[in-house]
Amino acid sequence: GAVVSQHPSRVICKSGTSVKIECRSLDFQATTMFWYRQFPKQSLMLMATSNEGSKATYEQGVEKDKFLINHASLTLSTLTVTSAHPEDSSFYICSASPTSGRNYEQYFGPGTRLTVT
Amino acid sequence: SQQGEEDPQALSIQEGENATMNCSYKTSINNLQWYRQNSGRGLVHLILIRSNEREKHSGRLRVTLDTSKKSSSLLITASRAADTASYFCATDVGGSNYKLTFGKGTLLTVNP
Repeated sequence: GAVVSQHPSRVICKSGTSVKIECRSLDFQATTMFWYRQFPKQSLMLMATSNEGSKATYEQGVEKDKFLINHASLTLSTLTVTSAHPEDSSFYICSASPTSGRNYEQYFGPGTRLTVT
Repeated sequence: SQQGEEDPQALSIQEGENATMNCSYKTSINNLQWYRQNSGRGLVHLILIRSNEREKHSGRLRVTLDTSKKSSSLLITASRAADTASYFCATDVGGSNYKLTFGKGTLLTVNP
């Protein structure tokens, strides 16, 4: 149980285009989902907290107009990287916190490797 | 901002040896968790220790927590090549703020 999927697993896009990444909780409902970014050989940096039916809360330094987050249902959150640039190339990981679980429980997706050329 | 700092940053051992990784943090916490990440993959939850606990075991894993020193250690006994991965600690401060703050991680290589 507690499986989180991400789609796509890898994406290559051209500079200036937008890319959407989906995060789904497959067998549980998640009121809250989190989006992280990870550069090579570095740790996970929280980008934003996504709550179903409300606006996402972004961490300091994360541009909300560049990283659009939509949490339209209890099982799906999307991250759209708008007008992507090479410096946006990174590994993006989402996690989902079960609605019925403890607040600190998070189940992680397998990640999405974004390469902007 | 990064809460946790793991050391060592990289650790290379032989199969069968024990591996110890440490994590330090700066603020009071509610829970501390350890995760494993294989190269290019998502995170796998290993173990959670609450702030009022001092030690916890799970299979070959042993976690200690010293809140007075704001530090934790993860011990993997009788390591296997399959244990090769990056290991991260993550803390939360409880209450309505359930964000996890991750440490920088330790890259463990277990040589067969």
